[in-house]
Amino acid sequence: DGGITQSPKYLFRKEGQNVTLSCEQNLNHDAMYWYRQDPGQGLRLIYYSQIVNDFQKGDIAEGYSVSREKKESFPLTVTSAQKNPTAFYLCATKDGPANYGYTFGSGTRLTVV
Amino acid sequence: QQPVQSPQAVILREGEDAVINCSSSKALYSVHWYRQKHGEAPVFLMILLKGGEQKGHDKISASFNEKKQQSSLYLTASQLSYSGTYFCGVMRPGAGSYQLTFGKGTKLSVIP
Repeated sequence: DGGITQSPKYLFRKEGQNVTLSCEQNLNHDAMYWYRQDPGQGLRLIYYSQIVNDFQKGDIAEGYSVSREKKESFPLTVTSAQKNPTAFYLCATKDGPANYGYTFGSGTRLTVV
Repeated sequence: QQPVQSPQAVILREGEDAVINCSSSKALYSVHWYRQKHGEAPVFLMILLKGGEQKGHDKISASFNEKKQQSSLYLTASQLSYSGTYFCGVMRPGAGSYQLTFGKGTKLSVIP
C-alpha cells in the first residue's frame, strides 16, 4: 500500500542536541511538506519542497533544516537553535492536480527533556 | 496569516447539525477541509476550488464564498464518528507549491 512513513513515533531529546525526523513516501508525489502542531495553534508550515534538491522556507523555519536528495525522502532536522522544539511534527505530500488534497503521515511527537 | 475558524469548540448530540466557518482577511484561491482525531494524522475531507462551489461527502458538505473570503463546513445528522478537530487550510493566489495555511481548528465532540 502507498503511504507516508514517519519515524520515530516518539522522540526524546536533551536540550542542545540536534535531532532528525524521518519522512519517507512511496506515493510518487512531487511536493512534500513539514508542519508543526502545537495545542490550540493548528498546523504551521516549516519547510516545503516541490522537487528534488529544492526546498523553500515556510512560516516558522528558524531553527530547522531540511534536505531533499531523493523524491521519496524529506528529513527534517531540529537544531539546537530551535527555542521551543517540543511539538507534534507532521509530514505531508501532495499529488500534482489542483483538486487533490494533502496526504499526511502519522506524525512524530518530539519532547525535549 | 492564519485563517480564523469559528467556533473554537462545539458539543453536539447524535443527530444534531453543526456549521464550522473559516474566514480569511486575504484573497483565497482554494479551501481545503481536514478532520483529525486525537493523536492521529489529519485526513483530507474535500477541497473547494472556485468561488460559489459547494461539495458534499455523505452528510458533510462545504461551500466557498470567494467574495467574502470564507468557507463553511456543514455537518448534518451528526454521528459519533464525526468527533475530532476540523481544520480549514487556505491557499492564496501566488502561493508556491500548493502550500496551505491552516486555521487553529474547531474541536467537535458528538455525544450519545
